[in-house]
Amino acid sequence: TAGITQAPTSQILAAGRSMTLRCTQDMRHNAMYWYRQDLGLGLRLIHYSNTAGTTGKGEVPDGYSVSRANTDDFPLTLASAVPSQTSVYFCASSEGLAGYNEQFFGPGTRLTVL
Amino acid sequence: DAKTTQPNSMESNEEEPVHLPCNHSTISGTDYIHWYRQLPSQGPEYVIHGLTSNVNNRMASLAIAEDRKSSTLILHRATLRDAAVYYCILRDVAGTASKLTFGTGTRLQVTL
Repeated sequence: TAGITQAPTSQILAAGRSMTLRCTQDMRHNAMYWYRQDLGLGLRLIHYSNTAGTTGKGEVPDGYSVSRANTDDFPLTLASAVPSQTSVYFCASSEGLAGYNEQFFGPGTRLTVL
Repeated sequence: DAKTTQPNSMESNEEEPVHLPCNHSTISGTDYIHWYRQLPSQGPEYVIHGLTSNVNNRMASLAIAEDRKSSTLILHRATLRDAAVYYCILRDVAGTASKLTFGTGTRLQVTL
């Protein structure tokens, strides 16, 4: 089972350009999440989705947008990238949002904005 | 979700037990205690979680204080593959996802 896949693995992006980070899960999980992890720090939640068709803001949502058209896919879009968005981005999923649900993480996308 | 406090780093010898502490003095009665670990250049992976009672699984044990204001992740025999950053986070049973924060965790070094 693939679990969660993310694409691309890494990307260098010019400031001001737009980009969509892709995330797909094959576990039929209801909840999905996007985190960013800056060098030497812990993960911070950007956006999440409780179920297909709904999304919510996390701790650091500014500059990012998400959509959840179906259960499997949860793309993250940077409309106009800035250097402060240089980070490693992790997508995750869980059966639900409940506190006992385990989260499964993808391998990450390393993004550099110049 | 309530805040947790962990030591920045710990060291262990291989084949020795490791006790990773976590303080969560503001924990609420409905918060689950989760532990994740992140190996170098990988995404976090789930280790264990609990609510009130101690928990065991194939990876580790979780010991929860009687007042739930602290917990300890126990690796019974550390191996070099256990070298990672270990995160202790609290999750409300209702799932307040907007407040999910992993913190900086404890970096575990395992030596021969």
